[in-house]
Amino acid sequence: RKEVEQDPGPFNVPEGATVAFNCTYSNSASQSFFWYRQDCRKEPKLLMSVYSSGNEDGRFTAQLNRASQYISLLIRDSKLSDSATYLCAVESSGNTPLVFGKGTRLSVIA
Amino acid sequence: NAGVMQNPRHLVRRRGQEARLRCSPMKGHSHVYWYRQLPEEGLKFMVYLQKENIIDESGMPKERFSAEFPKEGPSILRIQQVVRGDSAAYFCASSPAQTDTQYFGPGTRLTVL
Repeated sequence: RKEVEQDPGPFNVPEGATVAFNCTYSNSASQSFFWYRQDCRKEPKLLMSVYSSGNEDGRFTAQLNRASQYISLLIRDSKLSDSATYLCAVESSGNTPLVFGKGTRLSVIA
Repeated sequence: NAGVMQNPRHLVRRRGQEARLRCSPMKGHSHVYWYRQLPEEGLKFMVYLQKENIIDESGMPKERFSAEFPKEGPSILRIQQVVRGDSAAYFCASSPAQTDTQYFGPGTRLTVL
């Protein structure tokens, strides 16, 4: 089993739709979890950190399920500008390398 | 407040040449990480450095690749005798001490002809 797995997609959704991605991780000792957004031929940009209670930032909500070892990202009211690849990243402890999933591609269609 | 800087942004080398990629972390950040992203692949960790020390190089190929982060100046990822399979985007990230959020630079796209 890969350390971090994501459905590659693509997810093609209309504007205004709600879309959710999951990301599973294999290391039960993992402590920190992140969602990054990567546009084509650009660097990953931190979207959200995900801690034990989850968090919300505007239209974006991230959740952590330790029992089932996955994190999720929910995007409400999708915008065309949300089209990108969403990478989840997992870290076993502070200042250790991030392990990335291959990303989930989202296309929001007018 | 400048972000993570990488140069060059694009680098073309012929097989057998050397490639040097530079990374200047964000101000106040003392931890540097190098990742490689092959086309249609995820980001793969290569090496983690603090000033003058390599902390974790478990993701570095055993041959031809080396990295340093001197006391003064940027971190450098060096690839000797490049081969076509080295063509990729190389991203550097930095973080402050004692926290775990990493911020990425714009990357260097290496093309080996």
